[in-house]
Amino acid sequence: KQEVTQIPAALSVPEGENLVLNCSFTDSAIYNLQWFRQDPGKGLTSLLLIQSSQREQTSGRLNASLDKSSGRSTLYIAASQPGDSATYLCAVPSGGGADGLTFGKGTHLIIQP
Amino acid sequence: DAGVIQSPRHEVTEMGQEVTLRCKPISGHNSLFWYRQTMMRGLELLIYFNNNVPIDDSGMPEDRFSAKMPNASFSTLKIQPSEPRDSAVYFCASTPGYSGVSSTDTQYFGPGTRLTVL
Repeated sequence: KQEVTQIPAALSVPEGENLVLNCSFTDSAIYNLQWFRQDPGKGLTSLLLIQSSQREQTSGRLNASLDKSSGRSTLYIAASQPGDSATYLCAVPSGGGADGLTFGKGTHLIIQP
Repeated sequence: DAGVIQSPRHEVTEMGQEVTLRCKPISGHNSLFWYRQTMMRGLELLIYFNNNVPIDDSGMPEDRFSAKMPNASFSTLKIQPSEPRDSAVYFCASTPGYSGVSSTDTQYFGPGTRLTVL
């Protein structure tokens, strides 16, 4: 059964810092990995989807990398802003032919102005 | 594009009552997913549909939970009878393509229904 772990569970940094969020998964036979953002009381917004054949994806100040063999992904946020404050979730297909997602519990990020 | 629509946004009910949550996926999307989010367990997949047909319901916690998708634009998740441990946020999501082993689609999430069972 696929399991996803995210470290750290919470992070608070001053505005302007570059930061890295970590995600690990137990079954490396994945077809893709997604990073989502969740604001309080809201649904999830997809930030980046990395195909298994890719090593990284970039969108603006966000860069996500994927290392399937080691079962790890990182989300790099450059020049953080208070508006980046949210919970960031990593998700992979649950496997066994199922295409529902298995999520980590997320990293709660606070960017201090 | 209105996005995935869920109703109600908040539901408070008493133990033993029937609860029905509703979802309207994005028009033209072929797959629909129901998830539940709690502090303890995080986000968990309950069930998903391809072309209105349930594909995997192994995440449905017990027989008190049932889901239907009578047409491409509407799905319901019913809990009967409800219990306090069912209190959670329930999300619906949809994707353009068909779920499958090699799906490359991003899932689009609704705003969720916050359920409180007293």
